Amino acid sequence: DTGVSQDPRHKITKRGQNVTFRCDPISEHNRLYWYRQTLGQGPEFLTYFQNEAQLEKSRLLSDRFSAERPKGSFSTLEIQRTEQGDSAMYLCASSLDPRGELFFGEGSRLTVL
Amino acid sequence: EDQVTQSPEALRLQEGESSSLNCSYTVSGLRGLFWYRQDPGKGPEFLFTLYSAGEEKEKERLKATLTKKESFLHITAPKPEDSATYLCAVGRSNDYKLSFGAGTTVTVRA
Repeated sequence: DTGVSQDPRHKITKRGQNVTFRCDPISEHNRLYWYRQTLGQGPEFLTYFQNEAQLEKSRLLSDRFSAERPKGSFSTLEIQRTEQGDSAMYLCASSLDPRGELFFGEGSRLTVL
Repeated sequence: EDQVTQSPEALRLQEGESSSLNCSYTVSGLRGLFWYRQDPGKGPEFLFTLYSAGEEKEKERLKATLTKKESFLHITAPKPEDSATYLCAVGRSNDYKLSFGAGTTVTVRA
């Protein structure tokens, strides 16, 4: 069981640059989630995929954020024209059972200078 | 909108000193209440799911209980390795995502 894998684990970028994060879910899981977590807060929902279809996006997800899951396997989260307020831990999770728990990766920490 | 409130924000315990964490929730149609453990710089690690009031689950020194309005995570005779942030989350019956509380950071001193 390889678990949910995220890459890179850490990214430091300058304001205005674009960044992309990748998530590889647990292989048999068809549901994939992106969350964002800032210091002292719980994870906040960003978006959700079932297979390759993006079924829900949070109001938190501005036009600068885009997520894809092209073949229903791995997913990417791109942030364009980064701002200092985008600094956070970006967490990916996957699940198999629609009523069940989410399994999280180790996260990708973004620092925008 | 779903609301999940965890208390206290932080808890400092002596090794062996049992205590409880509280998670109060407001949700329309509870699908399940989930407890996670999170170590610094890591992703949340799943602990328990509770589906209905009166349900209890145990794992080592942790025991989770659920009522119609809140859940408790009891830590019995904690050890330093139980130090972590404990997150509570709820899922709605017509929804697949989870809504999280801000967590309780537990520090256990030897």
